[in-house]
Amino acid sequence: AQSVTQPDIHITVSEGASLELRCNYSYGATPYLFWYVQSPGQGLQLLLKYFSGDTLVQGIKGFEAEFKRSQSSFNLRKPSVHWSDAAEYFCAVEGRDKIIFGKGTRLHILP
Amino acid sequence: GAGVSQSPSNKVTEKGKDVELRCDPISGHTALYWYRQRLGQGLEFLIYFQGNSAPDKSGLPSDRFSAERTGESVSTLTIQRTQQEDSAVYLCASSTPGGFWGYTFGSGTRLTVV
Repeated sequence: AQSVTQPDIHITVSEGASLELRCNYSYGATPYLFWYVQSPGQGLQLLLKYFSGDTLVQGIKGFEAEFKRSQSSFNLRKPSVHWSDAAEYFCAVEGRDKIIFGKGTRLHILP
Repeated sequence: GAGVSQSPSNKVTEKGKDVELRCDPISGHTALYWYRQRLGQGLEFLIYFQGNSAPDKSGLPSDRFSAERTGESVSTLTIQRTQQEDSAVYLCASSTPGGFWGYTFGSGTRLTVV
C-alpha cells in the first residue's frame, strides 16, 4: 500500500536561510507526488506536483521539489525563507483514486 | 462556485448528538473527498465520491459516520451519536476525475464535541 513519511515533525530556520523538508514515499508504480501548505487557520493549498518528466519541479511562492526515484524521496526546498512561510507542510502521494498524506512538518521561522 | 465551500466553519455539539457537515465542491469537479484532521495530526482519508460510481467508504472510522452526495454537487457528512474523539477539523476537497491535478480544499469545519 502507498504511504508517505515526513521524518521531521518540526523544523526551525532563520528568516533568509535555505530550507529543505524531507519526504519519503512508498508506492509500487510511478507516483504522482504533491506538496501542500496549510497556514494557521487556513485550508490546504497546493504548492507543486510531480507527474512525470523533469524531476525538478517548480511551484508557487518560490518553492521547488526534486523527485529521486532511487531514494523514494520528494524533498521540498526553498533558497531563502520568509516569515510568511511559517506553516505546516504536507507531502502526499496519489494512490488508487485518492491522495495519501504524510503527517506534516511544521515550519517555524526565527526573525 | 469559485472554490470549495464548507459549512458551518465551526460547530460545537454535545456528546451523543448528531451533526451534519456540508461541502459544496467546485462546479464541474466530479470527484469529492472528505478528510479528517485531528489536532496536531495529518490528514486522515474518510470517503471518496466519483460521479455516479459507488463511493469508496474505506476510511470511515465507524458506522456512526456516513456521507451522501447528490449527483456531482453538494455532499453531506453525518456523524451520529458524536463522541469526544470525533473532535477535529473535517476537510472537503474536490477535483477533476482521478485528482491528477491535485485537489482543491475547502477551509474545513472545526467540530468540537463537549
